[in-house]
Amino acid sequence: GQNIDQPTEMTATEGAIVQINCTYQTSGFNGLFWYQQHAGEAPTFLSYNVLDGLEEKGRFSSFLSRSKGYSYLLLKELQMKDSASYLCAVRGPGGGATNKLIFGTGTLLAVQP
Amino acid sequence: DVKVTQSSRYLVKRTGEKVFLECVQDMDHENMFWYRQDPGLGLRLIYFSYDVKMKEKGDIPEGYSVSREKKERFSLILESASTNQTSMYLCATGMRNEQFFGPGTRLTVL
Repeated sequence: GQNIDQPTEMTATEGAIVQINCTYQTSGFNGLFWYQQHAGEAPTFLSYNVLDGLEEKGRFSSFLSRSKGYSYLLLKELQMKDSASYLCAVRGPGGGATNKLIFGTGTLLAVQP
Repeated sequence: DVKVTQSSRYLVKRTGEKVFLECVQDMDHENMFWYRQDPGLGLRLIYFSYDVKMKEKGDIPEGYSVSREKKERFSLILESASTNQTSMYLCATGMRNEQFFGPGTRLTVL
């Protein structure tokens, strides 16, 4: 079966660091994606990991451990505009050229002053 | 910048009506996708297409069909709308390492 787990909600303080975890069990793996989605808007791409390790992009970093079926998204120097849902997605079996993704239910992050 | 447009942001239809949702992309991508998004269930794949006139069922295709006559356009069809199809519908187009989403259509079926 296919299963992607992430916390439903998190709260953090402006200026702080927050880590959003994602664990997955899928019958195949061809990459892991993180998306940001503000309320009422479409998801926007944040990061892509296919090899183990950390990918850094400005204030956002994403980590992958394939052996553990685990990823996290790290947000530094939090800003109020970072309040959004963060979606973890895995490209599962039958991926590759078709780029078919399996999404988690998302983590709603609230940044407080 | 990739642009993915959807025909409507908000749509209200009656039970039993035939509904067309259209998606157009301007990046010449081969892969296009239709998802629906519901609270607590996340994004679920309805159908996808990896080439003109090619289509494959996603995880929840029941009650839906699709059409891809041109590379840039991917249509989602609800043959006979039902209240349980009230949802946010998102179209996406993809390359290997990224998917780009349209703004979404919030469909309400009364």
